[in-house]
Amino acid sequence: GEDVEQSLFLSVREGDSSVINCTYTDSSSTYLYWYKQEPGAGLQLLTYIFSNMDMKQDQRLTVLLNKKDKHLSLRIADTQTGDSAIYFCAEIREGTGKLIFGQGTTLQVKP
Amino acid sequence: SAVISQKPSRDICQRGTSLTIQCQVDSQVTMMFWYRQQPGQSLTLIATANQGSEATYESGFVIDKFPISRPNLTFSTLTVSNMSPEDSSIYLCSVDEGDTQYFGPGTRLTVL
Repeated sequence: GEDVEQSLFLSVREGDSSVINCTYTDSSSTYLYWYKQEPGAGLQLLTYIFSNMDMKQDQRLTVLLNKKDKHLSLRIADTQTGDSAIYFCAEIREGTGKLIFGQGTTLQVKP
Repeated sequence: SAVISQKPSRDICQRGTSLTIQCQVDSQVTMMFWYRQQPGQSLTLIATANQGSEATYESGFVIDKFPISRPNLTFSTLTVSNMSPEDSSIYLCSVDEGDTQYFGPGTRLTVL
């Protein structure tokens, strides 16, 4: 199938780490992405990882990829209230440019 | 990264009318995409718009309902035709740039 699955909601306290998980189905996916959507706004590309990598770090963001289990995670260190948003993972179908999105995880950061 | 703008940013329309959404990119791109995000939902690809050829539509979307133009490498339009309240969504265009895909700010459409 074409499903990309995410948990729908995550609540953390300011300063804690957040881990948002995603599973995908297409083993031929070449890139996997994390997008952030703030209320009333469009999609902001946060980071992405090539399928032959297992980790990528970019400042407070760490992406882990387990290709065997088709599992992707996004860790946000020292989560801030400004990180409150919906986070979408997406995979790209090889040769099509077509992005398949998960349902989105709403991250709530409590002060 | 590409800078993408959309017009209008939002609109409220009457049932049965049509709305054309514009997407402008600040650089030439081969592939442009149109997505729909229904309220509280994820994004679904409507069609891929390539310059010089007809758009390629995904299952569940048809050209009569969502005609697309791609007159050059920096511009595309999506028309939502004969609108009904079920068409109320955010419509986003995106462009493929290297390994990444960037999105416009979206057009928030409400159909009464």
